[in-house]
Amino acid sequence: DTEVTQTPKHLVMGMTNKKSLKCEQHMGHRAMYWYKQKAKKPPELMFVYSYEKLSINESVPSRFSPECPNSSLLNLHLHALQPEDSALYLCASSPLASGAQYFGPGTRLTVL
Amino acid sequence: QKEVEQDPGPLSVPEGAIVSLNCTYSNSAFQYFMWYRQYSRKGPELLMYTYSSGNKEDGRFTAQVDKSSKYISLFIRDSQPSDSATYLCAMSRSGGTSYGKLTFGQGTILTVHP
Repeated sequence: DTEVTQTPKHLVMGMTNKKSLKCEQHMGHRAMYWYKQKAKKPPELMFVYSYEKLSINESVPSRFSPECPNSSLLNLHLHALQPEDSALYLCASSPLASGAQYFGPGTRLTVL
Repeated sequence: QKEVEQDPGPLSVPEGAIVSLNCTYSNSAFQYFMWYRQYSRKGPELLMYTYSSGNKEDGRFTAQVDKSSKYISLFIRDSQPSDSATYLCAMSRSGGTSYGKLTFGQGTILTVHP
């Protein structure tokens, strides 16, 4: 199984809502990542988890809160988002925190 | 100057053509080099992964890395309309405070027309 899955596929939320994005991989990878991608731009790294510990936070606003409950799961909790946060949110994993990363299909988020 | 430069195109070729995509980079610490294909509104799909300099072939795809010139390439032979997508180069270091961080090029939009 070489797949990273993400739920939901689409999410529409208001600026006062709280929601969560979920990511799962069963490849035994020990590093997992959250990226944000705007239209016609490359993915931008948000967070890196290595062995279930947060190792990189790219100065992401606190309205985004990551969580790694175990080695297969990664969540991104969203609260009080702004319309400019609307984007494709991508999860990725890799065997270790180096080398190739495998991306999920993404969650398309719209903030009204 | 960006760490990784990639011509955004767009690039339009006829079916069956050989496509050449390229990236240059400035940081000699990069050790891992990747090419991703991304269809519209989908996640990036890993196409090729190479470590350090050299060539790697997989079916119609060939990746080349020249660390002395800080230049990487992806060749697509016998291009098909289904190859129409955005191609992203990416690279990363081993170790250091940026361990795990991919640095992407801007992506090249490719259209293969029948």
